Amino acid sequence: GENVEQHPSTLSVQEGDSAVIKCTYSDSASNYFPWYKQELGKGPQLIIDIRSNVGEKKDQRIAVTLNKTAKHFSLHITETQPEDSAVYFCAASGAGSYQLTFGKGTKLSVIP
Amino acid sequence: DTAVSQTPKYLVTQMGNDKSIKCEQNLGHDTMYWYKQDSKKFLKIMFSYNNKELIINETVPNRFSPKSPDKAHLNLHINSLELGDSAVYFCASTRGRDTEAFFGQGTRLTVV
Repeated sequence: GENVEQHPSTLSVQEGDSAVIKCTYSDSASNYFPWYKQELGKGPQLIIDIRSNVGEKKDQRIAVTLNKTAKHFSLHITETQPEDSAVYFCAASGAGSYQLTFGKGTKLSVIP
Repeated sequence: DTAVSQTPKYLVTQMGNDKSIKCEQNLGHDTMYWYKQDSKKFLKIMFSYNNKELIINETVPNRFSPKSPDKAHLNLHINSLELGDSAVYFCASTRGRDTEAFFGQGTRLTVV
């Protein structure tokens, strides 16, 4: 089955700096890669996703890049703000699969 | 209007008891999921139903039994609760495959 590795497990940045979270996946057939943000006491919420036919996607301060050859994808958050503090999860899903495999999460702390 | 709602939000119970968690979605989605999030925040899929048919049944103790009376509801019944069952259980729903998953707010189960 699919295996998703996520690094780092914790990340502290100063407000205004950039944050980068990296994930690798094992199944070359995977074609859908979402990123979720989980705030304390809440369920995960999708912030951005990318499909295997696209190399990069951007939404305001958030961007995701995908390298299919190397089987890794990354989340980039620019101009971080205290409200970006949360746990972020990457995930991968195989072609035609309902199963989403999550990474172990990254706890991001943005220091004012 | 809550998209995916779970009840109860908190559940404290003694070892050996039987309990149920209920989930309802009003998004018109055809697929629903149960995830378990342990103390280290790791999200692991347990079950999934598509149009009331069980499509994902991960290796979990058979004390856990899902039931989907219709496309909008997915319940989780747990028999003979054990200390190790303590976790946060999340319900989620999607429209088909490889699309955004909407999560409920979670049910924090504590077995004492």
